Amino acid sequence: AQTVTQSQPEMSVQEAETVTLSCTYDTSENNYYLFWYKQPPSRQMILVIRQEAYKQQNATENRFSVNFQKAAKSFSLKISDSQLGDTAMYFCAFMKPSSGGGADGLTFGKGTHLIIQP
Amino acid sequence: DAGVIQSPRHEVTEMGQEVTLRCKPISGHNSLFWYRQTMMRGLELLIYFNNNVPIDDSGMPEDRFSAKMPNASFSTLKIQPSEPRDSAVYFCASSLLSSAYNEQFFGPGTRLTVL
Repeated sequence: AQTVTQSQPEMSVQEAETVTLSCTYDTSENNYYLFWYKQPPSRQMILVIRQEAYKQQNATENRFSVNFQKAAKSFSLKISDSQLGDTAMYFCAFMKPSSGGGADGLTFGKGTHLIIQP
Repeated sequence: DAGVIQSPRHEVTEMGQEVTLRCKPISGHNSLFWYRQTMMRGLELLIYFNNNVPIDDSGMPEDRFSAKMPNASFSTLKIQPSEPRDSAVYFCASSLLSSAYNEQFFGPGTRLTVL
């Protein structure tokens, strides 16, 4: 079974600063997918960024980027120029391809509550 | 385009009552997932379906929980009888099996309170 660990229960930074959220995972799989989801107070789960394990290039989406270290099983999220609207819970998630096609369900970390201060 | 639709958004019931949560996946999606979110356990996968067939229900906590997907556009999660420890937010998500990342799109969730 896979496990995902987010070691920072809560983080707080000033608006416009850069912040990095950490995530480590444990798996024996060689091919898999990693995701960061954002959950604002509305509780809607919003996909922020995704990465395939066999791609060495780190994914980027505007102000969001990841540092994917496959050997270390680390998948951190960097948010640049943080904005008040970035305040939310952030969940790291792991997913492996299913033997029958498609993929299994997501395994989530416990989350990091990110607070952006004005 | 409509996203994943869940109903009801909020449900308050008394212990022992039957509860049915409903989900309509995104049109054309052929994988559907049910998750539960609690403070203590975080987000957990309960069950998922591919092409309306249950693939993995190992996350279903007890026999009191059951899920069905009678067709491609509708799924239910039923709890009978409900208990206070079932209080949680229940999410439904859908994805397309053939998509590159099998990205899951989440519904708004149903907040269940069992008194």
